[in-house]
Amino acid sequence: QKEVEQDPGPLSVPEGAIVSLNCTYSNSAFQYFMWYRQYSRKGPELLMYTYSSGNKEDGRFTAQVDKSSKYISLFIRDSQPSDSATYLCAMSSIQGAQKLVFGQGTRLTINP
Amino acid sequence: DAGITQSPRHKVTETGTPVTLRCHQTENHRYMYWYRQDPGHGLRLIHYSYGVKDTDKGEVSDGYSVSRSKTEDFLLTLESATSSQTSVYFCAISGDRGPYEQYFGPGTRLTVT
Repeated sequence: QKEVEQDPGPLSVPEGAIVSLNCTYSNSAFQYFMWYRQYSRKGPELLMYTYSSGNKEDGRFTAQVDKSSKYISLFIRDSQPSDSATYLCAMSSIQGAQKLVFGQGTRLTINP
Repeated sequence: DAGITQSPRHKVTETGTPVTLRCHQTENHRYMYWYRQDPGHGLRLIHYSYGVKDTDKGEVSDGYSVSRSKTEDFLLTLESATSSQTSVYFCAISGDRGPYEQYFGPGTRLTVT
């Protein structure tokens, strides 16, 4: 069983929809939670990170962490065609902070 | 790409040959990483470095070695390439704000025939 599970999709939604992307994990030591966005044939870019539990908002993006359920989410409001990409969750523990464990990524397409 | 370059960007090589990939950064960041990305597996850490000559293994280090003789350069060597090492390889860096804020290079697409 993988430490981090992420539905690979693909996920296709109309422009303007609210998108929900999710990951579950099994290692209770994870404290840092990140979301990366990766366009086709490019390197991943950091979108947001959260330490421990709670919510974090940045423009149209909201990251949520529920440590009791070992479940993290990324919400995208008012989705745009430019949001079409693969979204990867990643996480690490305090002791192994450098060793990120990634989900396999969800491919998202926003249709105009 | 946050001042990170990778070379070569594409390479085709034969089974059994040694291959070296280079990552170069201009950010003076302490940490450097090598990942591989494969369908169904996401990104997996191969090795990382926390300073010049200081390295540690990641999740999938077998068959790979690394070296860091200067802050700006991190080399990944496939000692004897196998077809299972066909992948896209990404270098990443992070600084003192936190090792979890990693910035990725453009990637190297390696094919082993």
